[in-house]
Amino acid sequence: AQSVTQLDSHVSVSEGTPVLLRCNYSSSYSPSLFWYVQHPNKGLQLLLKYTSAATLVKGINGFEAEFKKSETSFHLTKPSAHMSDAAEYFCVVSVMTTDSWGKLQFGAGTQVVVTP
Amino acid sequence: GAGVSQSPRYKVAKRGQDVALRCDPISGHVSLFWYQQALGQGPEFLTYFQNEAQLDKSGLPSDRFFAERPEGSVSTLKIQRTQQEDSAVYLCASSLFPRTSSYNEQFFGPGTRLTVL
Repeated sequence: AQSVTQLDSHVSVSEGTPVLLRCNYSSSYSPSLFWYVQHPNKGLQLLLKYTSAATLVKGINGFEAEFKKSETSFHLTKPSAHMSDAAEYFCVVSVMTTDSWGKLQFGAGTQVVVTP
Repeated sequence: GAGVSQSPRYKVAKRGQDVALRCDPISGHVSLFWYQQALGQGPEFLTYFQNEAQLDKSGLPSDRFFAERPEGSVSTLKIQRTQQEDSAVYLCASSLFPRTSSYNEQFFGPGTRLTVL
């Protein structure tokens, strides 16, 4: 069975400092992993996705994530936080069993607060 | 349209009322998913359509929940005899092909926020 665990429910950073959001996954298969962002009263937006072509994945708005199979991790980082990065972030795995059709399994989410 | 749309964006229902939530996926997308997001939690899978066929309804919480996609495009999620625990944001997502993967991502609509009083 596939699952994801987001290790921090809340992260507070100062504007201009690095952001690290931690995610560990469990999967019996080579996983399809994603990070989505959800701004207040907005829909889910895809930040980036792991395609197995490269372990370091670059996404939108300066975010990137590194897939580490040995650590079963897919942590999200950004070198310098902006005020607009304040949102809820979800680490997501696609459930790849014969009858799952790739439904998404979401982590519990990490709320990011950015202070001036 | 350019993306997935959902209507209404907000719905207030009295306990016991029936509600219908609509999803318009991206044109041509084969796969359509419904998710339920309770306050402060991540979305949870409800049901999956491939064209007009409902292939997975394992996430529907009770027989009060019913979904359809009769022509393989627009989908409706219906909740009968609503209860307070049904209060949540209901999200619809579509993807071009069957089987989500990193090459076949899901695109989400803005959601419908249902409040049951």
